[in-house]
Amino acid sequence: KAGVTQTPRYLIKTRGQQVTLSCSPISGHRSVSWYQQTPGQGLQFLFEYFSETQRNKGNFPGRFSGRQFSNSRSEMNVSTLELGDSALYLCASRWDAYEQYFGPGTRLTVT
Amino acid sequence: GIQVEQSPPDLILQEGANSTLRCNFSDSVNNLQWFHQNPWGQLINLFYIPSGTKQNGRLSATTVATERYSLLYISSSQTTDSGVYFCAVERTGRQAGTALIFGKGTTLSVSS
Repeated sequence: KAGVTQTPRYLIKTRGQQVTLSCSPISGHRSVSWYQQTPGQGLQFLFEYFSETQRNKGNFPGRFSGRQFSNSRSEMNVSTLELGDSALYLCASRWDAYEQYFGPGTRLTVT
Repeated sequence: GIQVEQSPPDLILQEGANSTLRCNFSDSVNNLQWFHQNPWGQLINLFYIPSGTKQNGRLSATTVATERYSLLYISSSQTTDSGVYFCAVERTGRQAGTALIFGKGTTLSVSS
């Protein structure tokens, strides 16, 4: 089976812009979660989608949003980018309640 | 919320040495995973081990859920083992949804 894929891998945006990141889960996995990794805060949970519904949400401002499509692919959007949003964004998928598998990440730089 | 503490924060080894990484967590968990983050940032699954002991080649892991800790053993370390090792847990009792809580990681450097 193909692993979790994320696009794009690298992205440079300007403050105030918005960005959309995409994640395709492992075939058959219906749960997709997003995480943000920064040097200061480490790895933090953003949100989780299951069958097109947001099932869990971390402690991030409303500028961070996401959605899931019927084929389980997921997108996350960050509006009004701030310098502090520069991070590695990781997507993970899982089947049922077992282990999560991570994609290669999207490295976002906000200038 | 649940706290996850990893030790040591940094570890420097010579090739061939053995090491033990520790993960302590503050509450009951129903999921515990160990990851190795490669230089490009991807988290590579090492073990899914909410309890018990597992082995995979030179790596093994033990989780003692009742005492709220997990250990990752690396034997005969190689330079390719270098990187950051993360422990992540999911708390018991969540009605729905999943959120892995990560420790701050152990940075391992293996020199030849």
